[in-house]
This record gives sequence, C-alpha cells and structure tokens, in this order.
Amino acid sequence: DTGVSQDPRHKITKRGQNVTFRCDPISEHNRLYWYRQTLGQGPEFLTYFQNEAQLEKSRLLSDRFSAERPKGSFSTLEIQRTEQGDSAMYLCASSLLGGRARETQYFGPGTRLLVL
Amino acid sequence: AQSVTQLDSQVPVFEEAPVELRCNYSSSVSVYLFWYVQYPNQGLQLLLKYLSGSTLVKGINGFEAEFNKSQTSFHLRKPSVHISDTAEYFCAVSEEYSGGGADGLTFGKGTHLIIQP
Repeated sequence: DTGVSQDPRHKITKRGQNVTFRCDPISEHNRLYWYRQTLGQGPEFLTYFQNEAQLEKSRLLSDRFSAERPKGSFSTLEIQRTEQGDSAMYLCASSLLGGRARETQYFGPGTRLLVL
Repeated sequence: AQSVTQLDSQVPVFEEAPVELRCNYSSSVSVYLFWYVQYPNQGLQLLLKYLSGSTLVKGINGFEAEFNKSQTSFHLRKPSVHISDTAEYFCAVSEEYSGGGADGLTFGKGTHLIIQP
C-alpha cells in the first residue's frame, strides 16, 4: 500500500493558462474524490468517481474544470483559463466501497496551485 | 444538506495538559463522522471515525472522540498533549444512504491546535 500520490506537488501558472493535475489512488480503491482547500478553510468537495464513472459534481466545479478517470485507476483534474481565485490546494482522496475500510477516505499530499 | 461547525479556530494548550476540540454537525439523516489531522504542507490523515456502534471512538496518537446524537456533537479529546500534536484538526461528516457508502465529505473550517512548552 503506497498511499495516494499526486503530481505535481506545486504549480505556478499565469492567469489564463490551462493546468492539469494527476492523482494516483491506492490500488484496488474504486472511489476517487477531488477536493479544493483554500487558506484557512477546510477542504471542499468538488467531484468523485466510482470506477470510471463520474457520479457527483459540486456546484463549485465550474465549466472551466473537468475531471476524468478513463480506466478507473488514475484521475486528472484540468482547469482551463485559470483565474487568481483558483489558487488553492487541490486534494485527492480514494476509498474502497464495500470493503473493510469502507467510508474512510485516504488523502494524498495535495497539489498547491498559485495563479499569478 | 449537512454542515459542520468547529467552534474554535485556535486552541492553545500547554504540553502534557488535556485538550478538547469541539465539533457540531447538522444533518437530517444518519451520518458518519470523522476527525482528520493536517500537518503543515501535508495532506489529511485520518485520526478516527464513527460509523456505528459504541459512541466512544478511539483513534491514533492517543486521541478519542465521543458521538452524542442528541447534541449533534463529535468532540475530540486527548488526555495529555505533546508538542508533536501541533497541527490543524478537521471534523468531517458524510451522510449514510441506502447504497452503504459515503459521498463527498463536508468539513469544518478546522481548529489549529497550538502546543506551548
């Protein structure tokens, strides 16, 4: 069990550029979640996948955001035309539905995005 | 929709003293409750969780929490803190549904635990 990994750990970009983040969940976990955490706040739910299906999206996920999990393993989160308000830590988590550790989400270290 | 309130944004405590971090939630259905800890520049680590059964839950690093349904609370406690417990602590809730799993967690704003020597 190598844990949830995220890449990159840090990203600095200019306003208007596109960025893509990757998340590799714990192997055999069938659920994968994305959260956003701004300074001084708790994480806010963005979206989640069960296998390759995207089952829920928060209203925080504007049309500039898109997430995929094409083969039910790793996931990518893309932000198009970044804005300064997108600056935040983007956290990925995974869980095993129906398993012994059900309902527990295991978090990765996050990708910190700074939009200049 | 559920919500979580962490009443204290900061809690300063002397080393080896006891501590309680407060968490209250709001939900119209049954919930699962969690406490996570976040060290600087790191992701979240699960401390403990309440799914069902005994209302007193023991977690890692000597922490425990008690689920109180009538008061809709899930306060975190530790009898004697150590300098290494300095971190941000988040209470979170998810709603149980017939599928048997949990959707996205709803987090509180966090409590910064500051251990003073």
